[in-house]
Amino acid sequence: EPEVTQTPSHQVTQMGQEVILRCVPISNHLYFYWYRQILGQKVEFLVSFYNNEISEKSEIFDDQFSVERPDGSNFTLKIRSTKLEDSAMYFCASSHGGSGGDNEQFFGPGTRLTVL
Amino acid sequence: GQQLNQSPQSMFIQEGEDVSMNCTSSSIFNTWLWYKQDPGEGPVLLIALYKAGELTSNGRLTAQFGITRKDSFLNISASIPSDVGIYFCAGPLFYNQGGKLIFGQGTELSVKP
Repeated sequence: EPEVTQTPSHQVTQMGQEVILRCVPISNHLYFYWYRQILGQKVEFLVSFYNNEISEKSEIFDDQFSVERPDGSNFTLKIRSTKLEDSAMYFCASSHGGSGGDNEQFFGPGTRLTVL
Repeated sequence: GQQLNQSPQSMFIQEGEDVSMNCTSSSIFNTWLWYKQDPGEGPVLLIALYKAGELTSNGRLTAQFGITRKDSFLNISASIPSDVGIYFCAGPLFYNQGGKLIFGQGTELSVKP
């Protein structure tokens, strides 16, 4: 069964450093998402991406964040200068549609980001 | 911001018991999704609901899309130890075209063998 994959599973970085989190969405999906989950809290939307551009972003997704689909399979989230409060699980998700009856989103296993 | 409220926050039940949890909002949703999350892993989609009043089953799980489009419930029958985890409801607001999901805060289920 196709699934979303993410690498690395755990990333430890120093405050101020840049990190890139990688995702391979399900191959025939067209919509891609990043969410984050701070320990013990609910999952929060960061950004959605369709047709090579951002569809929507949350207030969390400030100028320090960017997303890219560098080739036909990968979808990346870059944090330019990490802060302590960026420590969280980051989940990539993908769906075939963006709304209506076809936006079942499938999540990857997550990358745990720890900022020291 | 928009919120989904899940209740109860946690449940402790005996193996074999049935479980019911729900999710409510002050806003209308056009889709309800129920996910299960195990510790340290990503949410796994259990059931998707698309029409008001729709009742959908997936094995021992049954979920319903409320008539008002502002609530949904999830039932688990004859619980087993592997049902342990956090159950999240989620959905896109009816006017949202980008697919952004709003998540509830979760219901944590513990099952005693």
